[in-house]
Amino acid sequence: QVQLQESGPGLVKPSQTLSLTCTVSGGSISSSFYWSWIRQPAGKGLEWIGRIYTSGITKYSPSLKSRVTISVDMSRNQFSLHLSSVTAADTAVYYCARDSSSSIDYWGQGTLVTVSS
Amino acid sequence: DIQMTQSPSSLSASVGDRVTITCRASQSISNYLNWYQQKPGKAPKLLIYGASSLQSGVPPRFSGSGSGTDFTLTMSSLQPEDFATYYCQQSYTTPRTFGQGTKVEVK
Repeated sequence: QVQLQESGPGLVKPSQTLSLTCTVSGGSISSSFYWSWIRQPAGKGLEWIGRIYTSGITKYSPSLKSRVTISVDMSRNQFSLHLSSVTAADTAVYYCARDSSSSIDYWGQGTLVTVSS
Repeated sequence: DIQMTQSPSSLSASVGDRVTITCRASQSISNYLNWYQQKPGKAPKLLIYGASSLQSGVPPRFSGSGSGTDFTLTMSSLQPEDFATYYCQQSYTTPRTFGQGTKVEVK
């Protein structure tokens, strides 16, 4: 059973970079899936941030593309999210997830990141 | 981006009711449509993929239909554990996009 777990700071200052890591267990990150980040502000809907394939090819949301980097570390079975120049609008629960190309079938439990000074 | 629009945004229902939620895409997405259930404080859970295929372990009271631009999620007999928020999502292209959600509440 594949499991994903987000980790990283729960509090980030405005203008700084938000960095999160997702550790994948129960399966290899080098298998043929897309590894994704999705976020959800409190009381709101789901927003897709982007994804990375095992080849390293990335796709990002156009609205976040200038600030987002997703990378993968196969040796650690992890992938990461970096979101620069954050503002209060980036406060949300961040989920890492596996995209099988037909659906997002496995999700992490989510981690709340608050942007505040 | 492909816009996904769900209706209604919320509904009130009773245990045993038949409930239908609709999702419309801003362009044709064939059958690349998924449905998720989310409970408070939890990650979304995949219910239906490919518009009508039931994810393993999901009760058969959940069903999906549609193709092109119009889709539906039906719960044939609402159970207490089904009160939650439901999202549609297109997997036709990137960026992946979600509907705004439909909250199913107790009547």
